[in-house]
Amino acid sequence: EDKVVQSPLSLVVHEGDTVTLNCSYEVTNFRSLLWYKQEKKAPTFLFMLTSSGIEKKSGRLSSILDKKELFSILNITATQTGDSAVYLCVLNQAGTALIFGKGTTLSVSS
Amino acid sequence: GAGVSQTPSNKVTEKGKYVELRCDPISGHTALYWYRQSLGQGPEFLIYFQGTGAADDSGLPNDRFFAVRPEGSVSTLKIQRTERGDSAVYLCASSLRAPGLAGEDTQYFGPGTRLTVL
Repeated sequence: EDKVVQSPLSLVVHEGDTVTLNCSYEVTNFRSLLWYKQEKKAPTFLFMLTSSGIEKKSGRLSSILDKKELFSILNITATQTGDSAVYLCVLNQAGTALIFGKGTTLSVSS
Repeated sequence: GAGVSQTPSNKVTEKGKYVELRCDPISGHTALYWYRQSLGQGPEFLIYFQGTGAADDSGLPNDRFFAVRPEGSVSTLKIQRTERGDSAVYLCASSLRAPGLAGEDTQYFGPGTRLTVL
């Protein structure tokens, strides 16, 4: 009974493509939804989403949350090889433990 | 330091041995978390400290796992009688405040320790 489900699990694109990564979740006491990028070992923080419909944007990356339908998407435009990584969707559920999805592995070829 | 640091970066041990993994959080961060990440999976929560005390240790898989944070900064994760199934990357994270304080509980991760039990 996964609480955070990411799709697709893996994705291969060419440089310059736009990608959309999906995350759906189940929640008891929602606090926030987070996106992390993981290369090698350490996840690095991308976005924290708490409100529906408000897009967070950082360069070529953007994300939005729908609290009614319980999902979030992460968009990456004009992908570059440096975007190759695992993208983790993470649920912060008014408690102590972050709940991680299994991640989407993105491979960008030149 | 500027970020969360963990040592060692890699640890290879034999089944049955005892290991200690160290985490040095971002200076001033009161909350510290340990996660374990197996291949192809997202990190799984192990334990969380607020200050010196373990506020939630519900993720520790069994009593072979123990963690301490005696002075409220550096933490050590201890694993007794290691088993091959303990092989994973152990990630540490810290946040400025405890979970529940909006905007101040974003967790920042260290590089992890890759533990291999032969």
